[in-house]
Amino acid sequence: QQPVQSPQAVILREGEDAVINCSSSKALYSVHWYRQKHGEAPVFLMILLKGGEQKGHDKISASFNEKKQQSSLYLTASQLSYSGTYFCGTGNSGGYQKVTFGTGTKLQVIP
Amino acid sequence: EAQVTQNPRYLITVTGKKLTVTCSQNMNHEYMSWYRQDPGLGLRQIYYSMNVEVTDKGDVPEGYKVSRKEKRNFPLILESPSPNQTSLYFCASSPNGQGTFYGYTFGSGTRLTVV
Repeated sequence: QQPVQSPQAVILREGEDAVINCSSSKALYSVHWYRQKHGEAPVFLMILLKGGEQKGHDKISASFNEKKQQSSLYLTASQLSYSGTYFCGTGNSGGYQKVTFGTGTKLQVIP
Repeated sequence: EAQVTQNPRYLITVTGKKLTVTCSQNMNHEYMSWYRQDPGLGLRQIYYSMNVEVTDKGDVPEGYKVSRKEKRNFPLILESPSPNQTSLYFCASSPNGQGTFYGYTFGSGTRLTVV
């Protein structure tokens, strides 16, 4: 079953912050985050593992709440280059990973 | 340059005509996977492979076949394509093995239209 992402879409002005949420009905072992620009392939941002720490990538960071089976992606001081569709992918086992992706959150940053 | 290469980028075909989409990676990755992307549905996994000769079904395997005879190649085969397989397809790879977890590197995508 696909994880649920919210919001489905968001528009920001440059410099504003955003949070994208990802929740699963199953126990999570790992959460991936990707960004896809229009007409391009998804690009890996970060992975969070069960029992691991909050990850950071420049001004983009994420958290992983194992008990709530949720992850959140935080974008601070957004830039025009942050525009795109963000996908979370969840892995439900500790063995070979079968990653299931959410339906995406479309983020648009305007001047 | 480390990359996942898919071919072709665009393909228009007719119903029932067998086709193969190729995927090759030059990073010596263990894990490879195929996804299809449709508006509003995100990325859905078709098949994945943990290593040579080891493959398993994803969430939407019907109508597709795969093989992994060599570590670097993971072709996607549509033996009798139908219009509902019109989609954008991505191949992905990662160094993941048993108990190790890395992000995926995606190919550039193949836009398939079945008429």
